[in-house]
Amino acid sequence: NAGVTQTPKFRILKIGQSMTLQCAQDMNHNYMYWYRQDPGMGLKLIYYSVGAGITDKGEVPNGYNVSRSTTEDFPLRLELAAPSQTSVYFCASSHPPYEQYFGPGTRLTVT
Amino acid sequence: QKEVEQNSGPLSVPEGAIASLNCTYSDRGSQSFFWYRQYSGKSPELIMSIYSNGDKEDGRFTAQLNKASQYVSLLIRDSQPSDSATYLCAVGLSSGSARQLTFGSGTQLTVLP
Repeated sequence: NAGVTQTPKFRILKIGQSMTLQCAQDMNHNYMYWYRQDPGMGLKLIYYSVGAGITDKGEVPNGYNVSRSTTEDFPLRLELAAPSQTSVYFCASSHPPYEQYFGPGTRLTVT
Repeated sequence: QKEVEQNSGPLSVPEGAIASLNCTYSDRGSQSFFWYRQYSGKSPELIMSIYSNGDKEDGRFTAQLNKASQYVSLLIRDSQPSDSATYLCAVGLSSGSARQLTFGSGTQLTVLP
């Protein structure tokens, strides 16, 4: 089991560019989540999904979009990147009840 | 607003001592509680989960939950330099389908050799 995988590990974007952060899990988990973590801060939920075809907003969804066409994959799309989106992005998955398992993260810089 | 509060630290303890990490939460409907360890530059790693009042022990780690007082703590016995990390407290509600967690901002622990 690879667990939760994320690509890329690092990325530098120019303001206004777009990109997709990839996340995949091989644990057959129904629940998947995207978080961002700013320096010295906790994790903020961006979007989540409770199954293929079902997504919903978290605490900080503005500037992001998601889709969930399969159980395994949950990509996060950044449109029109802004410096405020400079952060570390973590994808997580869980099987009920709650325990979430995290991927290695993507470190994104927008300049 | 649901909040999870932790002392940011840094907390320093000598090797072999007991490290005590505390967390309080605001939502009385919270039903599940987790401690994650995060090394610098790495992703959070689940180390303890607790769902009922009282203590839960796993090796050198003990999680303590008091729902009436709305706090959860993590004790690390015989602390080792390898325990130096940021510890995140996370709290979940019982209601809703998303099983969302709310995270504290973390406590930085340093274990001095």
